[in-house]
Amino acid sequence: GQQVMQIPQYQHVQEGEDFTTYCNSSTTLSNIQWYKQRPGGHPVFLIQLVKSGEVKKQKRLTFQFGEAKKNSSLHITATQTTDVGTYFCAGPSGSARQLTFGSGTQLTVLP
Amino acid sequence: EAQVTQNPRYLITVTGKKLTVTCSQNMNHEYMSWYRQDPGLGLRQIYYSMNVEVTDKGDVPEGYKVSRKEKRNFPLILESPSPNQTSLYFCASRAGARSEQYFGPGTRLTVT
Repeated sequence: GQQVMQIPQYQHVQEGEDFTTYCNSSTTLSNIQWYKQRPGGHPVFLIQLVKSGEVKKQKRLTFQFGEAKKNSSLHITATQTTDVGTYFCAGPSGSARQLTFGSGTQLTVLP
Repeated sequence: EAQVTQNPRYLITVTGKKLTVTCSQNMNHEYMSWYRQDPGLGLRQIYYSMNVEVTDKGDVPEGYKVSRKEKRNFPLILESPSPNQTSLYFCASRAGARSEQYFGPGTRLTVT
């Protein structure tokens, strides 16, 4: 079945440094979604990318969808303590009925 | 307020004692899912449902049952829980296959 791999698993940064997490799928994706889970919380939807090569920005967050629609990245510029949490990518599988999540990247921001 | 609710939030039980975790959504969503979250393994889908009376296995269905008798409810049933089912469980719903997913607050289950 489809696999969605995410790296790194953990990332510690100093406040103000940039952060990037990468997501790779074993199959071509029709779309990819990103979620954020704060410590002790539940995943919350951030964004969906659909088009090949698409780039979307949300303030300091930049999301990219690869040209081949098999990879994606989330980049955070100048991290803040409010960015702490685990970031997941997710892609459709099983005729798009399922949503398969990557293993997540846990971000720690040191003040 | 649009939300997904789960009960109970915390549960400690013993091996073999049947339990049910309830899930309800008030957004009239077609799709509902159950996930378990374990350290280093991300969110793994247990079962999902595309509509009333339509359910299918996810990636880790062994030891679990579900039912979808009403659109808003999607309970997760553990007929005979075992310690390897100790985990954090999330219910989720979405309007369609390409829609954003809304998660419940989670149920932390411990099986001793």
